Amino acid sequence: AQSVAQPEDQVNVAEGNPLTVKCTYSVSGNPYLFWYVQYPNRGLQFLLKYITGDNLVKGSYGFEAEFNKSQTSFHLKKPSALVSDSALYFCAVRPSFSGNTPLVFGKGTRLSVIA
Amino acid sequence: DVKVTQSSRYLVKRTGEKVFLECVQDMDHENMFWYRQDPGLGLRLIYFSYDVKMKEKGDIPEGYSVSREKKERFSLILESASTNQTSMYLCASSFGVENSPLHFGNGTRLTVT
Repeated sequence: AQSVAQPEDQVNVAEGNPLTVKCTYSVSGNPYLFWYVQYPNRGLQFLLKYITGDNLVKGSYGFEAEFNKSQTSFHLKKPSALVSDSALYFCAVRPSFSGNTPLVFGKGTRLSVIA
Repeated sequence: DVKVTQSSRYLVKRTGEKVFLECVQDMDHENMFWYRQDPGLGLRLIYFSYDVKMKEKGDIPEGYSVSREKKERFSLILESASTNQTSMYLCASSFGVENSPLHFGNGTRLTVT
């Protein structure tokens, strides 16, 4: 069975500094990996996904994520954080070529960007 | 833009009541999902559906049922609401392609007293 770990419940970053939100996964075979963001009182919004190919994936709002197969990680990054990036971030995984297997989500990491 | 609409943002119900949470999507998505979100537990899948009149149990189906009579609508039913079902409920939909991202509604915060 697949699983996702987000080892940090909370990440604090100063505005303008680079940010990293960590995600590791466990899945049989090759993964499809996703990042979502949740702003207060809203549903989740899709940020980016990894399917295959280039290990560095670029997404919305200047975010990117790096797929590392040997470390089974898919960390979310941004070169320069904004206060408006403060939100709850979720990593999700499913095995590729798995038919109707639904996504499994991590427990989320709350990012706080301080001005 | 894809729109997933959940009928209520906030609901307050009494223990033992039958509760209906409605979700409608406007993008002709094949797949629809119901999650509940609780602090420290993340998102947990309750039920999902890959086609009209089809349903599959997720990780925590106990105490819930679902109905999908039309492609665009997916209803979550709490047969007899209990206080431990107080939570944020999120509906999502996606195309029937493996790497298709989920599109979420804004959620329904249900309080059972």
